[in-house]
Amino acid sequence: DAGVIQSPRHEVTEMGQEVTLRCKPISGHNSLFWYRQTMMRGLELLIYFNNNVPIDDSGMPEDRFSAKMPNASFSTLKIQPSEPRDSAVYFCASSSPGRGGLQETQYFGPGTRLLVL
Amino acid sequence: AQSVTQPDIHITVSEGASLELRCNYSYGATPYLFWYVQSPGQGLQLLLKYFSGDTLVQGIKGFEAEFKRSQSSFNLRKPSVHWSDAAEYFCAVGGPAAGNKLTFGGGTRVLVKP
Repeated sequence: DAGVIQSPRHEVTEMGQEVTLRCKPISGHNSLFWYRQTMMRGLELLIYFNNNVPIDDSGMPEDRFSAKMPNASFSTLKIQPSEPRDSAVYFCASSSPGRGGLQETQYFGPGTRLLVL
Repeated sequence: AQSVTQPDIHITVSEGASLELRCNYSYGATPYLFWYVQSPGQGLQLLLKYFSGDTLVQGIKGFEAEFKRSQSSFNLRKPSVHWSDAAEYFCAVGGPAAGNKLTFGGGTRVLVKP
């Protein structure tokens, strides 16, 4: 399996521009997670989906951030408008149901390094 | 609420020496515990996990971890460190009581001296 795929790997944009990050989970996984990693705040869960439905978006910083999962093999995280403080590495992870339908190990993608100037 | 504390931000160890990384967690039920490793510029790779059963868990790359419920700890160990083990290590806790969300510790950066 190719693992979790994220694109782009790097993104440099100017403040105010729209940024779209993309994620393809591992085939057969039914949960998808978006994380943000910064030096100051470490790894933060932004949102996660189960069977394409958003379950918990309490980590989404503000209305400028939105995430969608139109089908089981694709998700996007959009920032509009972007700000310098959004600069971070954004990770996507996916997991599959384990025993009793409970989610097990999360597998991470390589991340998208975002720089907002 | 669940939380994870990794008390050591940085650890420097000589190649060939043993390594132990500390992890303490807070969780309201039986936890699922994980250790991930992140090399520079890379994503997180799972080293090992504990769900239930034997409290000593073996992982990849020669790592092991021991779950101690009485101490709320899940420390990671390796008997002999290789230069390629230089990376950042993250402990995480989750489980059904948390809606399967993972909470990560702040990470421990390991430097390996030749």
